[in-house]
Amino acid sequence: AQSVTQLDSHVSVSEGTPVLLRCNYSSSYSPSLFWYVQHPNKGLQLLLKYTSAATLVKGINGFEAEFKKSETSFHLTKPSAHMSDAAEYFCVVIKQSGGSYIPTFGRGTSLIVHP
Amino acid sequence: SQTIHQWPATLVQPVGSPLSLECTVEGTSNPNLYWYRQAAGRGLQLLFYSVGIGQISSEVPQNLSASRPQDRQFILSSKKLLLSDSGFYLCACGGLAGTDTQYFGPGTRLTVL
Repeated sequence: AQSVTQLDSHVSVSEGTPVLLRCNYSSSYSPSLFWYVQHPNKGLQLLLKYTSAATLVKGINGFEAEFKKSETSFHLTKPSAHMSDAAEYFCVVIKQSGGSYIPTFGRGTSLIVHP
Repeated sequence: SQTIHQWPATLVQPVGSPLSLECTVEGTSNPNLYWYRQAAGRGLQLLFYSVGIGQISSEVPQNLSASRPQDRQFILSSKKLLLSDSGFYLCACGGLAGTDTQYFGPGTRLTVL
């Protein structure tokens, strides 16, 4: 079965320092993986996705993620945090259910950015 | 690209009252549609998904039901709300392939008192 584990419920960084949000996945086949961001009381927005093309995926707002099959990881990084990056981040893997594709969300990581 | 509309934005309802949340989609046809619930401080829980008109699949047993009367309309309902139904409800649409992005609506904040 497909699943994702977000290893940290909260990550706290100072503005201008690097960001690392960790995600490990479990999948019986080559997965599609996504990162979404949610600002307070808002819907979710796609940051980036991996769909078996390049293993280093660049997204919006300077974020990127690297698909590492040997480590079953898809960690999200950014070289320099900005105050506006403070939000909830979700790692998602797609599972197949019959003929449908069902997103499975991690529990989320809250990114806190200090001035 | 797709635009998802949800209403109402916020709702306060007493225990035992009925519920109807509506989601409509623009900019696409025959999408997969999803209802999620997000409880305070927790991740997203998939409640229902639909691959077409009148086709509803439930991911978890609960007090809620869903319907899809039109291609781009998805409704979440309850006959009698429970306190545990409180949360942030998100509607989303996606394509028919496993590599497709999901597009989310702005959500409805439901408080059951």
